[in-house]
Amino acid sequence: EPEVTQTPSHQVTQMGQEVILRCVPISNHLYFYWYRQILGQKVEFLVSFYNNEISEKSEIFDDQFSVERPDGSNFTLKIRSTKLEDSAMYFCASTYSRDEQYFGPGTRLTVT
Amino acid sequence: QQQVKQSPQSLIVQKGGISIINCAYENTAFDYFPWYQQFPGKGPALLIAIRPDVSEKKEGRFTISFNKSAKQFSLHIMDSQPGDSATYFCASRRGSQGNLIFGKGTKLSVKP
Repeated sequence: EPEVTQTPSHQVTQMGQEVILRCVPISNHLYFYWYRQILGQKVEFLVSFYNNEISEKSEIFDDQFSVERPDGSNFTLKIRSTKLEDSAMYFCASTYSRDEQYFGPGTRLTVT
Repeated sequence: QQQVKQSPQSLIVQKGGISIINCAYENTAFDYFPWYQQFPGKGPALLIAIRPDVSEKKEGRFTISFNKSAKQFSLHIMDSQPGDSATYFCASRRGSQGNLIFGKGTKLSVKP
């Protein structure tokens, strides 16, 4: 069964450093999303991406964040200058029809 | 208007019992209501979903009941098993771009 994959599984970085989180969505999917989950809390929407552009973003997704689909398979989330409060699990999700969103296993980001 | 309220926060059920988790939403523009199951260290996995034109949907031991007038929906897990022990999130989607708004989650423990 096709699945969303994410790398790395765990990223440790120092405050102020740039990080890139990578995702490979399911191959025929058209809509792509990033969500985050701070430990023990609910999953929060960050950004949606369709047709090679951002279609919607939350108030969390400020100028420090960017997304890119550099080729036909990868979908990346970049945080330019990490803060302590960016520590969270980051989930990539994809869907063909906007209904059934399939989530990846997540990247745990730890900012020290 | 964008919130999804989920209860209870935690639930303990005996094996073979019925687990019931409730959610309430505020925005009548929401048009899709999925439930996700999350095991520790994993991404959310789509369990079952419903649209507002249907009052109930059943898949195996899992049933969603939907009350459009009350703006509430619930997940029923029949014959609960220890393997069902996980955190369950309800979510709602508001049209066009499909980003999900999640409830805070319910940690279910099924005792043998």
